Amino acid sequence: EIVLTQSPATLSLSPGERATLSCRASQSVSTYLAWYQQKPGQAPRLLIYDASDRATDIPARFSGSGSGTDFTLTISSLEPEDFAVYYCQQRTNWSTWTFGQGTKVEIK
Amino acid sequence: EVQLLESGGGLVQPGGSLRLSCAASGFTFSSYAMSWVRQAPGKGLEWVSSISDSDIDAYHADSVKGRFTISRDNSKNTVYLQMNSLRAEDTAIYYCATVAQYCSRASCHHLYYFDFWGQGTLVTVSS
Repeated sequence: EIVLTQSPATLSLSPGERATLSCRASQSVSTYLAWYQQKPGQAPRLLIYDASDRATDIPARFSGSGSGTDFTLTISSLEPEDFAVYYCQQRTNWSTWTFGQGTKVEIK
Repeated sequence: EVQLLESGGGLVQPGGSLRLSCAASGFTFSSYAMSWVRQAPGKGLEWVSSISDSDIDAYHADSVKGRFTISRDNSKNTVYLQMNSLRAEDTAIYYCATVAQYCSRASCHHLYYFDFWGQGTLVTVSS
């Protein structure tokens, strides 16, 4: 089973700052990696798929990069609504879908 | 507009059963694989179960295998999660989600991520 490890656990930043979130896979997943955003009391929302493609209606300040085992989600300039928890996710096979443990982006 | 509406959650005693439902609208339900993902209080996301578009193939996480069963009724645009032998550690919000797909002219292929999510239903297992 592929394990996804996200870092840091918490990122404390101010609005307007750049956020850089990391997701590391225990073995290569090529570019088959997705990112989700979850705000308190809400369902997760797809942000990025295939490591770097933005989902529909996702603002351009969100970008993803990486391949193999190391991936990054970047928020170029944090807006107030971007403070949330972010998860990465991949699927090894139909019986094994895994999420990272999440990174919380909080207001400094 | 894609809508997924979960229902059926509630308080149940350890060892009890519940059946969750997820009513879908706004897309061709019968052509999409569907999944359930849960989130324990204050914790991260955990995949629970997935089912193919045709209801032929169903998959479950090891943590629920033998206790939970995913199914669907394409005539009702609904996916279900039958949960038996419930344990305290099954306490969570349960979300249903669509498995993203790519369609060419010839066929559609299920992908590895979830593109739409419902708002979730809370299951609490406690005596």
